[in-house]
Amino acid sequence: EAAVTQSPRSKVAVTGGKVTLSCHQTNNHDYMYWYRQDTGHGLRLIHYSYVADSTEKGDIPDGYKASRPSQENFSLILELASLSQTAVYFCASSDNNYAEQFFGPGTRLTVL
Amino acid sequence: QQNVQQSPESLIVPEGARTSLNCTFSDSASQYFWWYRQHSGKAPKALMSIFSNGEKEEGRFTIHLNKASLHFSLHIRDSQPSDSALYLCAVSMGNTGKLTFGDGTVLTVKP
Repeated sequence: EAAVTQSPRSKVAVTGGKVTLSCHQTNNHDYMYWYRQDTGHGLRLIHYSYVADSTEKGDIPDGYKASRPSQENFSLILELASLSQTAVYFCASSDNNYAEQFFGPGTRLTVL
Repeated sequence: QQNVQQSPESLIVPEGARTSLNCTFSDSASQYFWWYRQHSGKAPKALMSIFSNGEKEEGRFTIHLNKASLHFSLHIRDSQPSDSALYLCAVSMGNTGKLTFGDGTVLTVKP
């Protein structure tokens, strides 16, 4: 079974502060993704990457940056956290552009 | 931009029932179609996928795809309480791996 881990698992941040969410995969997958999920809703793609040192904007990139320093690691950065960014954030990885995406356990972020 | 809609929003069925979940998409160039299942407080996990028109069966689960109608569906035979979860459909254009998800259907199977 593919393994994707996220840290921290939960975080409380203050409005205007900087937040970094980390994702690590041991699957040797090229593709990695960051999604957010708001209560009772589906997933929306924030950023993704298909190769180290390169990231692409997803459907809702405003207010977020991403970094892919290696094949295994993919970070999501909120430079100035806002109340509207309170959500659960999921990282995922896949072997190619049509393969199953394997999700991490999620990070619950609360911005106060 | 791709628009993916699911129906119904929620569904309560008795144990043993046949359950049908629906998903419509807007872009006729879509190539890959997925159903993910998410139990409460857990990560989504892929359930089934289909890449061409028709039907695919895996155990109690069957997926139908009709690209001309911009519609695909998931059917669960002999629903179990353990099937209670949020079901998410997702569509990919294929070239980037990007998935567009629907908002989900909450399924509750009553013992």
